Amino acid sequence: SYELTQPPSVSVSPGQAASITCSGDKLENKFVCWYQKKPGQPPVVVIYQDKKRPSGIPERFSGSNSGNTATLTISGSQVLDEADYFCQAWDGNSPAFGGGTKLTVL
Amino acid sequence: EVQLVQSGAEVKKPGESLKISCKGSGYSFTTTWIGWVRQMPGKGLEWMGIIYPDDSDVRYTPSFQGQVAISADKSINTIYLQWKSLKAADTAMYFCARRDASGSYLDHWGQGTLVTVSS
Repeated sequence: SYELTQPPSVSVSPGQAASITCSGDKLENKFVCWYQKKPGQPPVVVIYQDKKRPSGIPERFSGSNSGNTATLTISGSQVLDEADYFCQAWDGNSPAFGGGTKLTVL
Repeated sequence: EVQLVQSGAEVKKPGESLKISCKGSGYSFTTTWIGWVRQMPGKGLEWMGIIYPDDSDVRYTPSFQGQVAISADKSINTIYLQWKSLKAADTAMYFCARRDASGSYLDHWGQGTLVTVSS
């Protein structure tokens, strides 16, 4: 099965940029998406197809994918961005999820 | 508006059976892949399997093959996740999620069903 690796935690001060990485073998050959998961709520996609933002997602969320690493960047992080973030790529007909990164904004 | 509405929380004993559901509306339910995701307490997201409701073609993640059953009733726009004999380790939140038309992400999610298995 395809494995995606994320750092367990990232901390950032409000107003600063936060970057969360996701590593996988030849990841650039796959589309990557990112989900934001807050306690008690279902995941919400914030980036899909590497760098596209769904409607309703703030412009401060952006994504990139090159080589073996995809990156989610939150520019001007806000306290409300504090959540777990999961990357995901498709391995055939099954999505592979990263282990998740807890973003702390304080 | 696309909606996925899941059945309510369940508390079961080890060895009991269970079937939870996810009802879709607001889109072409039968021709859209939809699957189940598990999140154990304090853990990450795990893909369990996916079903194409029109013909009930099911693809399981190997680690869940034989442990659960995924099915669909397209007449009522509903998919199911079933256990024959629950274990304490099945305690988790379970989400259904729809694969988007491009196939590249899960664009709509159910609200989640909490399953607690305890003696």
